[in-house]
Amino acid sequence: QKEVEQNSGPLSVPEGAIASLNCTYSDRGSQSFFWYRQYSGKSPELIMSIYSNGDKEDGRFTAQLNKASQYVSLLIRDSQPSDSATYLCAVKRVSELSFGAGTTVTVRA
Amino acid sequence: DGGITQSPKYLFRKEGQNVTLSCEQNLNHDAMYWYRQDPGQGLRLIYYSQIVNDFQKGDIAEGYSVSREKKESFPLTVTSAQKNPTAFYLCASSVLDRRGNEQFFGPGTRLTVL
Repeated sequence: QKEVEQNSGPLSVPEGAIASLNCTYSDRGSQSFFWYRQYSGKSPELIMSIYSNGDKEDGRFTAQLNKASQYVSLLIRDSQPSDSATYLCAVKRVSELSFGAGTTVTVRA
Repeated sequence: DGGITQSPKYLFRKEGQNVTLSCEQNLNHDAMYWYRQDPGQGLRLIYYSQIVNDFQKGDIAEGYSVSREKKESFPLTVTSAQKNPTAFYLCASSVLDRRGNEQFFGPGTRLTVL
């Protein structure tokens, strides 16, 4: 079982719609979770971090964490073509991060 | 400007050669990391360091070596023992925080073996 699993996609959504990305993790003791956005050919950029159960909102992005289900998600509201990228879920291990393979999102105009 | 720099942006290596990738940060971060990314895959940890003159192996350290002589610098050497070194190499840094570990990435070095 992989430590961090994501649907690889691609996930295609129309402009203005909500994109929903899912991530599950295997270590029940994990406490810190992160979402990164990576444009093609570029390095990852941190967009959200979440540590407590529930929702955390930042602009058009909402991260949701459910530790009991070992599940973290990212919602992108009012999706824009500029949101087309690969989104990486990362989970903190003891002192470093474990990354999922990423979900590719395409926002079609 | 604060940030993380990596050089070179592109690197070509002949088989049997060792090459060194540079990573420098001026964010005053204690921890630094090296990852490898292959097409369509996530990031895999090669090495990390939380303090000067100390570093730990990650998941795929074989064929790589690092040093941490200064807080700002964490160079990665890809040795000839690395069987398949063609990949996108990413350096990151973070503060040391028991709760979080927000890592910030440099622009990356794309290594190609000829």
